Amino acid sequence: QSALTQPPSASGSPGQSITISCTGTSSDVGGYNYVSWYQHHPGKAPKVVIYEVTKRPSGVPDRFSGSKSGNTASLTVSGLQVEDEADYYCYSFAGSATYVFGSGTTVTVL
Amino acid sequence: EVQVVESGGGLVQPGGSLRLSCVVSGIPFSEIRFYWVRQAPGKGPVWVSHINKDGTDRQYAESVKGRFTISRDNAKNTVYLQMNSLRVEDTAVYYCTTDGGWKLDYWGQGTLVSVSS
Repeated sequence: QSALTQPPSASGSPGQSITISCTGTSSDVGGYNYVSWYQHHPGKAPKVVIYEVTKRPSGVPDRFSGSKSGNTASLTVSGLQVEDEADYYCYSFAGSATYVFGSGTTVTVL
Repeated sequence: EVQVVESGGGLVQPGGSLRLSCVVSGIPFSEIRFYWVRQAPGKGPVWVSHINKDGTDRQYAESVKGRFTISRDNAKNTVYLQMNSLRVEDTAVYYCTTDGGWKLDYWGQGTLVSVSS
């Protein structure tokens, strides 16, 4: 099962917005509304920031939002802050009790 | 506070075996489905396996099917991953994580498995 495709990097200045894409197929991203996004600061445990495409867990700032169109899901971080600098991964249900992660995007705050 | 602590990683030769453990506290362990996820150096994470609440349903990625076995001991709040016939490509940080209803809620910091001769 191939990893979902994400851009390797994204960057923005504090206060700006960035959007990270996550492209799969109709067998995963496009077939289910079960895409989640994870923020990972190296050396720390990953943290979920979006689940079921658009839902935000309690405690996650509303600067984080998710969407999906066809086989591509997206994570938008608005009002970028220094602490948002991290690796971000998408994750999707792929049917038949299997799951697939994205290739990862490193976000840099300039 | 929820704590997820993995252990059991290390250096092993190709063809060897390791058993990873994941001890969890702060949540109702027996009511939670658990996952193992691994991340090779410089790569994205990969789902490896998951196990349901009572251990009766276990699923595996194709790359580990027949070599890895997931299990749990609800009395010890512990999830295991028995890894046999290890290959160089199994080298990764292995994370234990909890199912929170279509999201992976709590993660440990991972345990490193290195397969090399």
